[in-house]
Amino acid sequence: SQELEQSPQSLIVQEGKNLTINCTSSKTLYGLYWYKQKYGEGLIFLMMLQKGGEEKSHEKITAKLDEKKQQSSLHITASQPSHAGIYLCGADGRPKLTFGTGTRLTIIP
Amino acid sequence: DAGITQSPRHKVTETGTPVTLRCHQTENHRYMYWYRQDPGHGLRLIHYSYGVKDTDKGEVSDGYSVSRSKTEDFLLTLESATSSQTSVYFCAIRGLAAANTGELFFGEGSRLTVL
Repeated sequence: SQELEQSPQSLIVQEGKNLTINCTSSKTLYGLYWYKQKYGEGLIFLMMLQKGGEEKSHEKITAKLDEKKQQSSLHITASQPSHAGIYLCGADGRPKLTFGTGTRLTIIP
Repeated sequence: DAGITQSPRHKVTETGTPVTLRCHQTENHRYMYWYRQDPGHGLRLIHYSYGVKDTDKGEVSDGYSVSRSKTEDFLLTLESATSSQTSVYFCAIRGLAAANTGELFFGEGSRLTVL
């Protein structure tokens, strides 16, 4: 079965700073999804990557899938309090989606 | 917002009692999923369904059963709840037609406490 490891597990960042979250898979990724979860709420879809080398951006969040398709990174530029939450990556094993353990992001003033 | 609702949203029960969680969708999506979320474990798949009366196990299916008699409803049952099943349960739906990007849409979660 496919396993996803996220790093770091938790992150405390000062507002305005940049940060990166990594997601490493034990197998080739054929589709990688990033989700965000506000504390105590449901998950919100951020973006999906399929092709090696693909990069997508939404507002100040950029996600990349490396060429070998076993790792993805999520980069946030100029972090804001609204970015706080738990970020999860999910590997597509159609029809199932396997998730990593998550990265808890805290933004401090 | 995707039309997906879970009920109940909160439930407290005692060990050994049966519990059923309901997931209802209005999107007519073929695929439906039940996950549980626990600290340090992220989201783990319990069961999923790929059509009416078609279901399959996920990675943590022991102690759980599911049923899907209609496209719009996917039920998760704990036949005899245990304290280890205290968790937050999320239902998700997915459209895998060519027009979809394939993302899961999640419900708001059901928080279950087994005393």
